[in-house]
Amino acid sequence: QSALTQPPSASGSPGQSVTISCTGASSDVGDYNYVSWYQQHPGKAPKLMIYEVTKRPSGVPDRFSGSKSGNTASLTVSGLQAEDEADYYCSSYAGSNNYVFGTGTKVSVL
Amino acid sequence: QVQLQESGPGLVKPSETLSLTCGVSGYSISSGYYWGWIRQPPGKGLEWIGNIHHSASTYYNPSLKSRVTISADTSKNQFSLKLSSVTAADTAIYYCARVLLNFGYWGQGTVVTVSS
Repeated sequence: QSALTQPPSASGSPGQSVTISCTGASSDVGDYNYVSWYQQHPGKAPKLMIYEVTKRPSGVPDRFSGSKSGNTASLTVSGLQAEDEADYYCSSYAGSNNYVFGTGTKVSVL
Repeated sequence: QVQLQESGPGLVKPSETLSLTCGVSGYSISSGYYWGWIRQPPGKGLEWIGNIHHSASTYYNPSLKSRVTISADTSKNQFSLKLSSVTAADTAIYYCARVLLNFGYWGQGTVVTVSS
């Protein structure tokens, strides 16, 4: 199984929106609505931000939203704040109890 | 609140076996969910290693399957990772997590360096 493809970097000014793409295949992202997104600050463990494509765990701001079309999922961060600067990873269930992660995107708040 | 904590040697020699344990508090691993391992080489992305189900069934990343064993000790509420024949490419931060179609709870991670 190949890693999901994400852009290496994305950026935006405070208050703006940034969208990160996550492209997989028909055997993972395209076949299952089990895409999740993780935020990782330097030196910290990843934190679940979105699961099942669009759902937010308790405590995650509604500025974070997810979507999916075909083999590509997306994470949008609206109203960018300084604390949103981090690495973001997508992940997808790939069938037969297998999982695959994305290559990661570094989000910078300008 | 579910908490996970990795433990094990921080330095492993090439060709030897890496062994890590993940202690779980706030939830009994025998009650449900899958329990998994993920690693992150220095400056690189996340890689799923494998999961163990509360029924003890195991599932591994095909690229690592020949070298990986995940087991659980329900009496101690912990699960373990063994990775054999390690090389420098196995140097990484190793995380354990609770899994159910997503990785909902993570440990803080433990650094493992493969070097002689």
